Amino acid sequence: DTAVSQTPKYLVTQMGNDKSIKCEQNLGHDTMYWYKQDSKKFLKIMFSYNNKELIINETVPNRFSPKSPDKAHLNLHINSLELGDSAVYFCASSLFGTSVEETQYFGPGTRLLVL
Amino acid sequence: AQSVAQPEDQVNVAEGNPLTVKCTYSVSGNPYLFWYVQYPNRGLQFLLKYITGDNLVKGSYGFEAEFNKSQTSFHLKKPSALVSDSALYFCAVRDFTGFQKLVFGTGTRLLVSP
Repeated sequence: DTAVSQTPKYLVTQMGNDKSIKCEQNLGHDTMYWYKQDSKKFLKIMFSYNNKELIINETVPNRFSPKSPDKAHLNLHINSLELGDSAVYFCASSLFGTSVEETQYFGPGTRLLVL
Repeated sequence: AQSVAQPEDQVNVAEGNPLTVKCTYSVSGNPYLFWYVQYPNRGLQFLLKYITGDNLVKGSYGFEAEFNKSQTSFHLKKPSALVSDSALYFCAVRDFTGFQKLVFGTGTRLLVSP
């Protein structure tokens, strides 16, 4: 009954490969997010989707392409992986995305290592 | 732009002692502030938030935070630390650019010694 789940938990791959990370939430929320946590533990938002529509795109290289097949799922596809993409990627969700009171709930993270 | 600062990379405290993890904010308009905790190899867990009202906010696991408008601070506190509180703590502020995102501080590692 995990609220926000991500797969895979760990991902080790070679430079130049293409990989995807999946996220699902069973909270009935309208808005989902992708955050990146770098090696220094700094967290920064990458994307946000509201009801399958892209809302926030924070100057992320276009090698990163989010896709939301429905409002419960937000996937992240990364093309031509680079060493600097190594990080922990967190998915999160919130009820509407518009209310200041909303709490964002985070998934367990996907640890990506590019060799 | 909204931002938060966590001035301490690490806080050390002995078990049973009170703990404080500091956070200051810079916002235009009203601040909406959050604390999250990240245990090793885990995701972020929500602890508490300040939206409006009482300056002392109570949250999960016995944590509380004090909102101080004059000092633009939102420090996280606990009266008696546990070894299991050892984790990475993040302060965050709501950013209002259309749909809202969280802007996080750099995190503070809390180490509670037995």
